[in-house]
This record gives sequence, C-alpha cells and structure tokens, in this order.
Amino acid sequence: ETGVTQSPTHLIKTRGQQVTLRCSSQSGHNTVSWYQQALGQGPQFIFQYYREEENGRGNFPPRFSGLQFPNYSSELNVNALELDDSALYLCASRPWRGLNYGYTFGSGTRLTVV
Amino acid sequence: GESVGLHLPTLSVQEGDNSIINCAYSNSASDYFIWYKQESGKGPQFIIDIRSNMDKRQGQRVTVLLNKTVKHLSLQIAATQPGDSAVYFCAEAYNDMRFGAGTRLTVKP
Repeated sequence: ETGVTQSPTHLIKTRGQQVTLRCSSQSGHNTVSWYQQALGQGPQFIFQYYREEENGRGNFPPRFSGLQFPNYSSELNVNALELDDSALYLCASRPWRGLNYGYTFGSGTRLTVV
Repeated sequence: GESVGLHLPTLSVQEGDNSIINCAYSNSASDYFIWYKQESGKGPQFIIDIRSNMDKRQGQRVTVLLNKTVKHLSLQIAATQPGDSAVYFCAEAYNDMRFGAGTRLTVKP
C-alpha cells in the first residue's frame, strides 16, 4: 500500500506566475483535500474533491483551483501568485466517510514566491 | 477552528512525565476528531481519532478525551519521550476536515 506522494518537494516562483502542484492519493482513497500551511501556523483548508468534483472549500480566492482525476490523483493550481502564497502545501486523502475514516497526509510541497 | 498566529502555544515537560494537550473545536456538527503530530519539515502524522459517539479512546501511550458539551478535545501522552517533541494539532471533520490551533510540545531529557 503506497502512501500519499506530492511533487515537487520544493518550488520557487516569481510573483504573478502560475503554479501547479501534484498529489497521488493513497490506494483506495477517493477523497482528497488540500491545505496551505504558512510557517509557524496550522494547516488551513483550501478545498476538497470527491469523485472529481469540489465538495468543500475554505476561505481561499478563486485563483486557487483544483482537479481530481479518475485515478484519484489531483492537482492544485494557483494563478497570479502573491508573496503571501509562500507556504507548505499539503495534500491529504481518505476513503469517503467509510469505516477507515482517517486522512493520510503527504510530506508537502514547499512553495516560495519571490 | 482557525489556527493561532505565529506564536503557537507551548508545553514543556520532563521526560517520563505525562503530557496533556488541549484543543477547542468550533463546529457542533463535527462527528469525527483526529489528533496529528507534525515534525519539522514533514506532513502531519495521524496519532489517534475518536468519533462523536464516544468520549474516550485509548491507544498506545495516548488517550483522547472528547467533551461535546463544551466542544473540547484533549490528548494525553503517557511517559512522554524526547521523540514526542513536535507540534500537535487537533482536527475536526464532518464533510471536510479543519485544523485547530497547534501546540508545540518540548520534552526535556
């Protein structure tokens, strides 16, 4: 059983650019969530995808968008990058409200916007 | 719940002592609660969970207590070890999962 894998591990972008971060969910997990974790803070919920549709969103602007693919891999896209977007971006997957309810996290992508 | 800012609450304990980390959650509809441990440079790691129809659950050296009346969770770590030093987060889940404020646990040898 593989865990949650994220790529790339580190990334540096310039303000105004666009970025795509990728996540491969744990086998058997059909729900994926993305979180933003600024330095010294807790993870903030960005959005959740289930069966390729967004079914929950936190307090993030529309320039944060996502995709979930039939194989349950997913992407987080951020347009018009701002300096405050610099953070660790975490992906977590789980079965949908099943008995094994736990969320499994990847190690994250460290994004630096300069 | 929203996270605290740059200054996480801290708890410092002596190796071998018991630790208690507290957390308040915000959504009375949440039906599942999880404690995570996060070490520097890593993603959160699952420690223990509890459903809303329970008020206590025990694992290996860890116990989670849930008080739904006051929307409060606690994590008890028995015989705390240096390897337990990390930031601990509680999380609440219903349709999606939201994190509460973290606590930085430091274990002194």
